[in-house]
Amino acid sequence: EAQVTQNPRYLITVTGKKLTVTCSQNMNHEYMSWYRQDPGLGLRQIYYSMNVEVTDKGDVPEGYKVSRKEKRNFPLILESPSPNQTSLYFCASSPSGSGGDVTGELFFGEGSRLTVL
Amino acid sequence: GQNIDQPTEMTATEGAIVQINCTYQTSGFNGLFWYQQHAGEAPTFLSYNVLDGLEEKGRFSSFLSRSKGYSYLLLKELQMKDSASYLCAVLDSNYQLIWGAGTKLIIKP
Repeated sequence: EAQVTQNPRYLITVTGKKLTVTCSQNMNHEYMSWYRQDPGLGLRQIYYSMNVEVTDKGDVPEGYKVSRKEKRNFPLILESPSPNQTSLYFCASSPSGSGGDVTGELFFGEGSRLTVL
Repeated sequence: GQNIDQPTEMTATEGAIVQINCTYQTSGFNGLFWYQQHAGEAPTFLSYNVLDGLEEKGRFSSFLSRSKGYSYLLLKELQMKDSASYLCAVLDSNYQLIWGAGTKLIIKP
């Protein structure tokens, strides 16, 4: 089954304790992205990746890191989480259009609800 | 700056028709998407418009007017399962998706 898998789905942690949210897709998609969703603000892009070893900042990258060492995986790293990073996080992937841009529909993971105390 | 506007919340009756509007101001335009998101779940793709006009897909239709920076999603024969948030997103000149905050649709029996 074609899917995007995120883990963990739910996490409660404390300020400053490093954590990683994993994301894996089995559709051989080149484009992958991380979003956070907060009430009234919609989806905001954190980082995205056009292909292996190519990553770029989105609208709200501060406090986050990513890596794309393999095509299928795109982990999100919070080196020192803070309470303002409490949010619902979504990983998404898409087949690239011409030039490697995202023109196709996005396939989303089920989401990871993170609470930082 | 770039901006996408949608109503925050709408209410409709089961069996009726509802139109959810989306207006946008973006740097360039390479298409507009509509996604459906049930509470606590991931968004799922509904439609993509890049040319002016109406695209029909079963009970759902999406309209685009590029000159007016305007789109709407039309839902017919509403069912209780259509209660969800509907997200409008525009692909700008850099092929980055700009998202609206979403419209929460409440369906009443």
